[in-house]
Amino acid sequence: DQQVKQNSPSLSVQEGRISILNCDYTNSMFDYFLWYKKYPAEGPTFLISISSIKDKNEDGRFTVFLNKSAKHLSLHIVPSQPGDSAVYFCAASARNSGTYKYIFGTGTRLKVLA
Amino acid sequence: ETGVTQTPRHLVMGMTNKKSLKCEQHLGHNAMYWYKQSAKKPLELMFVYSLEERVENNSVPSRFSPECPNSSHLFLHLHTLQPEDSALYLCASSQEFSSYEQYFGPGTRLTVT
Repeated sequence: DQQVKQNSPSLSVQEGRISILNCDYTNSMFDYFLWYKKYPAEGPTFLISISSIKDKNEDGRFTVFLNKSAKHLSLHIVPSQPGDSAVYFCAASARNSGTYKYIFGTGTRLKVLA
Repeated sequence: ETGVTQTPRHLVMGMTNKKSLKCEQHLGHNAMYWYKQSAKKPLELMFVYSLEERVENNSVPSRFSPECPNSSHLFLHLHTLQPEDSALYLCASSQEFSSYEQYFGPGTRLTVT
């Protein structure tokens, strides 16, 4: 049973508009979340993170929102650029429980159309 | 070389072959990881080494054998693999096992025929 789910395998967005990528989790012990971006033929690269003590974290065009009651997080990219086209993975860990390993979602492929 | 490198980038092997995947990190990190990414599945953690000691082994079949001779190098020895082992194998490192961020290599695309 997948503990971290990204239910949309793909998403297309027009350049300049907002991209919203969603991630749901089932384990209430998860307290730290990451988003990674992956280009073809490259490894995933860290994008942004959020701790469960926050509900929002912003870094430039990227904002991650966390809704603990719904066990849902989302990544907003505004404005979207063609260079943002990649696969985005969310990952979660239960650090306060001493579990440092991350559980990953299956990824969402974002295509930003010029 | 900077970051995390992996060789080879592509590998095709028969079920009776023995091969090894190599990972090297140039970041001075103390923890290294092997992940497996199969098509339409999430990244699965296989092994974790911290200061050259294995700290995680996620029920991986014995046909996969990791080796960490020092904190900069990590190997994955493969023997008598099955076609379902075809996947992208990613290596990662982090400053410590408890660090928040992991740095990934580009991966080895493995095909078992």
